[in-house]
Amino acid sequence: AQSVTQPDARVTVSEGASLQLRCKYSYFGTPYLFWYVQYPRQGLQLLLKYYPGDPVVQGVNGFEAEFSKSNSSFHLRKASVHWSDWAVYFCAASSGSFNKLTFGAGTRLAVCP
Amino acid sequence: GALVYQYPRRTICKSGTSMRMECQAVGFQATSVAWYRQSPQKTFELIALSTVNSAIKYEQNFTQEKFPISHPNLSFSSMTVLNAYLEDRGLYLCGARDHWGFYSDYTFGSGTRLLVI
Repeated sequence: AQSVTQPDARVTVSEGASLQLRCKYSYFGTPYLFWYVQYPRQGLQLLLKYYPGDPVVQGVNGFEAEFSKSNSSFHLRKASVHWSDWAVYFCAASSGSFNKLTFGAGTRLAVCP
Repeated sequence: GALVYQYPRRTICKSGTSMRMECQAVGFQATSVAWYRQSPQKTFELIALSTVNSAIKYEQNFTQEKFPISHPNLSFSSMTVLNAYLEDRGLYLCGARDHWGFYSDYTFGSGTRLLVI
């Protein structure tokens, strides 16, 4: 079955430190991949997206993600975390541009001063 | 730009009653609308996917009898939660996209938060 797995339910980093949030997918072929962020009491905002092509994609607010077909992964990275990045991050996948979006369980990011 | 508005932002309803939530797309044609539910401490579950001029497709565990959806034109959709109970509480998210647009992604609203008492 098609699925998206975020193995870390919660990640805590110090402000200014680097960040990696993990995402693994299980899809036939190469899916379209997305990272969304949910700030407290808000909906979803798109951080970045991957369509087949360059494996490293740049997003907003200094986020980037790297697609790896061999590892079936799409990890999110940021070089220096800011306190305003405190939120829940969702990885999502779609098997095509016209198909439904499947979300991972989310990773809650806490930023320490 | 493309925006999606949802209203109400939050609502409280008594157990066994129904409530309707609305989704408005601005700046693009919402040829496809997806309704999701995020239950407390959980991820987003797809309820149904609606495409204009096509049948609405409900996911397993969700039915038209419980969550009737209307998608009458290219800018508006609504969903009703009938006979709401405690397990229906959560954030209901509407995502809209231009089905005919290549590389078109879902734009999400801020959600309608439903509390059942």
